[in-house]
Amino acid sequence: SYEVTQPPSVSVSPGQTATITCSGDKLGNKYVCWYQQKPGQSPVLVIYQDSKRPSGIPERFSGSNSGNTATLTISGTQTMDEADYHCQAWDSNAAWVFGGGTRLTVL
Amino acid sequence: VQLVESGGGLVQPGGSLRLSCAGSGFTFSDYWMHWVRQAPGKGLVRLSRIKTDGSSTNYTDSVKGRFTTSRDNAKNTLYLQMNSLRAEDTAVYYCVRENTYGFDIWGQGTKVTVSS
Repeated sequence: SYEVTQPPSVSVSPGQTATITCSGDKLGNKYVCWYQQKPGQSPVLVIYQDSKRPSGIPERFSGSNSGNTATLTISGTQTMDEADYHCQAWDSNAAWVFGGGTRLTVL
Repeated sequence: VQLVESGGGLVQPGGSLRLSCAGSGFTFSDYWMHWVRQAPGKGLVRLSRIKTDGSSTNYTDSVKGRFTTSRDNAKNTLYLQMNSLRAEDTAVYYCVRENTYGFDIWGQGTKVTVSS
């Protein structure tokens, strides 16, 4: 079955750019979503179809996907962005597979 | 637009539990639905998917043959019947709506603890 891999943790200073990766075989051929999950809360979709933002998601969240790696970028990271981020790959074969999640620490 | 799960709790190993998920604010029957779980301190795992009319389902290997997902569109409700529960099934279980582009609506989750 298809698998995607994320780093367990990423740290960033407030105001800087955070980059979280998601890796998988030929991931660029699949659609990728990103979900933000704060402690004790349900996940929230922040990026879909690799780079699109749902309404209400700040412009500082952006995404890309090429080759074997998808990337979630948070520009001008704020303390409120501290959360777990989960990538998810989809195509007819990947069938909505989640990565293991990345904890973003803003310090 | 919301999903509200219920039915979680403490159950002994080998026992059964049925989770429910009530949808509101949207046409429930128009959407494929999923169950996703998250063990303590772990990532998200998609368990099952059910077609709009309930005619097709699929499951991840770890729950195949033990868990059954179904839906009652007249009641706007999704179900997860869990049998032969194991300690490793301990998790928060989420009901999730699949849109064409991703999982756009999540329930608040219901906690299941499998322990003697």
